Amino acid sequence: EAQVTQNPRYLITVTGKKLTVTCSQNMNHEYMSWYRQDPGLGLRQIYYSMNVEVTDKGDVPEGYKVSRKEKRNFPLILESPSPNQTSLYFCASSLLYGPGANVLTFGAGSRLTVL
Amino acid sequence: AQKITQTQPGMFVQEKEAVTLDCTYDTSDQSYGLFWYKQPSSGEMIFLIYQGSYDEQNATEGRYSLNFQKARKSANLVISASQLGDSAMYFCAMRFNNAGNNRKLIWGLGTSLAVNP
Repeated sequence: EAQVTQNPRYLITVTGKKLTVTCSQNMNHEYMSWYRQDPGLGLRQIYYSMNVEVTDKGDVPEGYKVSRKEKRNFPLILESPSPNQTSLYFCASSLLYGPGANVLTFGAGSRLTVL
Repeated sequence: AQKITQTQPGMFVQEKEAVTLDCTYDTSDQSYGLFWYKQPSSGEMIFLIYQGSYDEQNATEGRYSLNFQKARKSANLVISASQLGDSAMYFCAMRFNNAGNNRKLIWGLGTSLAVNP
């Protein structure tokens, strides 16, 4: 089944404890991206990647890092989480060219709470 | 500024009836795409339908259709024959085709739809 898989789905952590949210897609998509969803603010892009070793900042990159060492994986790293990073996080992917390039496929979401 | 507005925070519809969810957008770009996504209570984001700004015909996908009125800058979602499983949050989103290879979507704040039996 074609999908984007995120882990963990739920996580409660404490301020300052480094964590990584993994994202993997099995559709050979070039493009991958991370969003966070917050009440009243909607979804906002954190980082995106157009291909292996090519990443760039979105609208709210502060406090996050990403890497794209393999085409299928795009982990989101919080080096020193703070309570304002409590949010619902989505990984998404798409082709860059062709008919499928119009549609972003999303993972199931990762709900992160930072105490 | 590029913006998506969904003016209906919540909507109710009777099962088997049709419902229209409103979406207006603000842009000076000529080339863009409009999307609707569904987010059930379980949290995942599910793609429903897409309309390109140059598409002359309204997009349809099964029970979903997009009522695209370019001059009014509106892209309303019409769900026909509502089902209980349609109860969810619905988001309108837009992508600007001059954003290079960033497929970033600009999102509205969503409309919560409840389907009554």
